[in-house]
Amino acid sequence: GAGVSQSPSNKVTEKGKDVELRCDPISGHTALYWYRQSLGQGLEFLIYFQGNSAPDKSGLPSDRFSAERTGGSVSTLTIQRTQQEDSAVYLCASSLVASDGYNQPQHFGDGTRLSIL
Amino acid sequence: GDSVTQMEGPVTLSEEAFLTINCTYTATGYPSLFWYVQYPGEGLQLLLKATKADDKGSNKGFEATYRKETTSFHLEKGSVQVSDSAVYFCALSQGGKLIFGQGTELSVKP
Repeated sequence: GAGVSQSPSNKVTEKGKDVELRCDPISGHTALYWYRQSLGQGLEFLIYFQGNSAPDKSGLPSDRFSAERTGGSVSTLTIQRTQQEDSAVYLCASSLVASDGYNQPQHFGDGTRLSIL
Repeated sequence: GDSVTQMEGPVTLSEEAFLTINCTYTATGYPSLFWYVQYPGEGLQLLLKATKADDKGSNKGFEATYRKETTSFHLEKGSVQVSDSAVYFCALSQGGKLIFGQGTELSVKP
């Protein structure tokens, strides 16, 4: 499809397990972002990849969270030793970067709803 | 740090009523400003944007003007429809990432 694709759409797992969430950005978009949407915290930035630059990890809430982007395209967000407070919808977005360096509007996927039992 | 504040919801209006959702921001420099909308059961969609002071973004009858002097980006629509029922998020872009307000739920009754 033409949009940002995320998988799985839903994930239920037990506390303490590791989970991996996948994001396929729009083809040609060099910038990729992860956000988290939860009832108590609203929409929070997690991490941002832009081309070959070092990612901006300033929003990751703990060292249990990590993300990588392989080949400048697909990204995986990994949460180790999940806790109940990790329950949220994890959103991925991608965008073009204009020639003046300013990022174009972000296009969001439908998200992965993560539930920790 | 940078932040966005929106009026609290839920906002309930009758069809054809005038809508205003207030949004103010705190930021260093001159960020781009956005309104995103999340319809029930759907993902976040860009509604409109403005990249510099006095710019007016518009789409689907919605408008918002970038006001540097009042650090505001209020969303307006002259006549809402039931199909506009959704959650609306104001956001600013700084260093690439988006910083969102807490969202305002709008419910339009026929």
